[in-house]
Amino acid sequence: DIQMTQSPSSVSASVGDRVTITCRASQFINNWLVWYQQKPGKAPKLLIYAASSLQSGVPLRFSGSGSGTDFTLTITSLQPEDFATYYCQQGDTFPPTFGQGTRLQIK
Amino acid sequence: EVQLVESGGGLVQPGGSLRLSCAASGFTFSRHWMHWIRQAPGKGLLWVSRINSDGTSISYADSVKGRFTISRDNAKNTLYLQMNSLRGEDMAVYYCVREDGGSYKFEPWGQGTLVIVSS
Repeated sequence: DIQMTQSPSSVSASVGDRVTITCRASQFINNWLVWYQQKPGKAPKLLIYAASSLQSGVPLRFSGSGSGTDFTLTITSLQPEDFATYYCQQGDTFPPTFGQGTRLQIK
Repeated sequence: EVQLVESGGGLVQPGGSLRLSCAASGFTFSRHWMHWIRQAPGKGLLWVSRINSDGTSISYADSVKGRFTISRDNAKNTLYLQMNSLRGEDMAVYYCVREDGGSYKFEPWGQGTLVIVSS
């Protein structure tokens, strides 16, 4: 199975900050990378697919980039509702696998 | 509104069985591959099983193979997960998920149903 490694595991930031989360795949996955946001007690929500395509309804402050094995999720001008856990997931090779998550906390 | 609603979770003893259901609405259920993904308490996401649109192609994670059975009833717009020989490590929130547009893009997710395996 393809291993997905996110960094950092946890990050603290303030409202208005810019935050970048990285995700590395253990092998080439082209651009088949998805990002999800999960709030406590809730199901994950799709943010970005195909590495950089914004899901309908997701604010423009979220963006994704990367290809091959290295990917990033960037959130510009953090809002209070953005504090959550973020997961990457590869969709290139069966079975789909997820990163361990990055917890974004309020500083 | 596209919606997935799971049910059937609860407390079960090790070695016991449970059947989860997922009622789909707001989209043409019979056209989509469906998956189960689980999340142990305080842990990350783990793919469990998938079924194609007409139920003829099924796959499982190695950790549940031989114990879990995924199925669907397209007439009832419902997805199922029969879980047998449950173990402590199966304790998790189980999410029903639609594969949207292929390439394992999962959207939407149900609200999840909690399975507790304990004596």
